[in-house]
Amino acid sequence: SAVISQKPSRDICQRGTSLTIQCQVDSQVTMMFWYRQQPGQSLTLIATANQGSEATYESGFVIDKFPISRPNLTFSTLTVSNMSPEDSSIYLCSVVSDSGANVLTFGAGSRLTVL
Amino acid sequence: AQTVTQSQPEMSVQEAETVTLSCTYDTSESDYYLFWYKQPPSRQMILVIRQEAYKQQNATENRFSVNFQKAAKSFSLKISDSQLGDAAMYFCAYRSSLLGRFNKFYFGSGTKLNVKP
Repeated sequence: SAVISQKPSRDICQRGTSLTIQCQVDSQVTMMFWYRQQPGQSLTLIATANQGSEATYESGFVIDKFPISRPNLTFSTLTVSNMSPEDSSIYLCSVVSDSGANVLTFGAGSRLTVL
Repeated sequence: AQTVTQSQPEMSVQEAETVTLSCTYDTSESDYYLFWYKQPPSRQMILVIRQEAYKQQNATENRFSVNFQKAAKSFSLKISDSQLGDAAMYFCAYRSSLLGRFNKFYFGSGTKLNVKP
């Protein structure tokens, strides 16, 4: 399965600032996703990162708040903009391997705390 | 949208004993995939086991097995000979096989498993 490197692993941010999370995969993958996991909660899909086009956002998530880039098939970034304490979460990058295994593989996550 | 329900927020098991985690789901589709993921404290989410709906045989991975009841839309995870390292949050997940919905994984709310020495 793919190996995903995500950084930063954690950060403490001030209200009103923005932070960009990077996700690097060791192989080319078509499907890449960004999830949010709020404290003690399950995973919520933010968006599908599409290579060469705009990301596909789920209901409740907008591009102005969570801009996503996907310049190639191995890399993506998620920016959390104008942060508030409610944005304190773990943000997870995940991919489905193109090999046909139909399995979602996760990065280690980025734990953001907004003060 | 499909929903995945885990009715047990937290469970405990004695080391070396067996525990079963429950999961039900709601779907009108006939072909899909089901998964159990494990998230240890402050560690990465990893796949435990998966099941294709078209397969009648229950999946098994070492000490982990599932009881897949398609008609009942039930997908429970059995952990045998529990070990301290099994302590984690366990998430049940559903993925459609239909084009257009294929990319979405739906996750349950999770079950926290405690393992007592």
